[in-house]
Amino acid sequence: DIQMTQSPSSLSASIGDRVTITCRASQSISDYLNWYQQKPGKAPKLLIYSASNLQSGVPSRFSGSGSVTDFTLTINSLQPEDFATYYCQQTYTTPQFGQGTRVEVK
Amino acid sequence: QLQLQESGPGLVKPSQTLSLTCTVSGGSINSGGYYWSWIRQTAGKGLEWIGHVYSRGNNKYNPSLKSRVTISLDTSKSQFSLKLSSMTAADTAVYYCARGIEVLPVNWFDPWGQGILVTVSS
Repeated sequence: DIQMTQSPSSLSASIGDRVTITCRASQSISDYLNWYQQKPGKAPKLLIYSASNLQSGVPSRFSGSGSVTDFTLTINSLQPEDFATYYCQQTYTTPQFGQGTRVEVK
Repeated sequence: QLQLQESGPGLVKPSQTLSLTCTVSGGSINSGGYYWSWIRQTAGKGLEWIGHVYSRGNNKYNPSLKSRVTISLDTSKSQFSLKLSSMTAADTAVYYCARGIEVLPVNWFDPWGQGILVTVSS
């Protein structure tokens, strides 16, 4: 099985900060990597697909990069509505999610 | 805009079979390039893909659950369903249905239903 490891598991940030979340796969997954945002009591929402493609309707302050085993989700100028938990997900093999990164108010 | 809605029991007894239905509205469940998925979330294991069904009726299942899972499609009702047998406390989770989008070779889940909490308890 491919293991997906996100770091950090949580972080504290302020409005306007640039936030970076990392996802590492235990083996190559090419660019078969998606990012989701989940708020408490809600379903995950797709942000980025295929490593770097912004889903329609998602603000441009969100961006994704990386390939092979190392991937990054960046939030430029953090907004109040961005405090949430973020998950990476690989679809190279059996779909698997990372353990999540919680973005909290500093 | 496509919407998905889960329905089913919120409480299941140990050893019983869970049956959930996802109703799709605002779009066709028959469209090519999509598949219809079940995903669950627990505090302990996080998000776990259960399996999915294609519009042609073929399936893919998580190997760890394969022996207990059946996912089927009812295009006449625009619904797909999940059956998970031999339920235990470890299956207590929020169960989500989602549409899978396949643009080979990549794929992703969008949108998701709101989720339904299923508790396994006697």
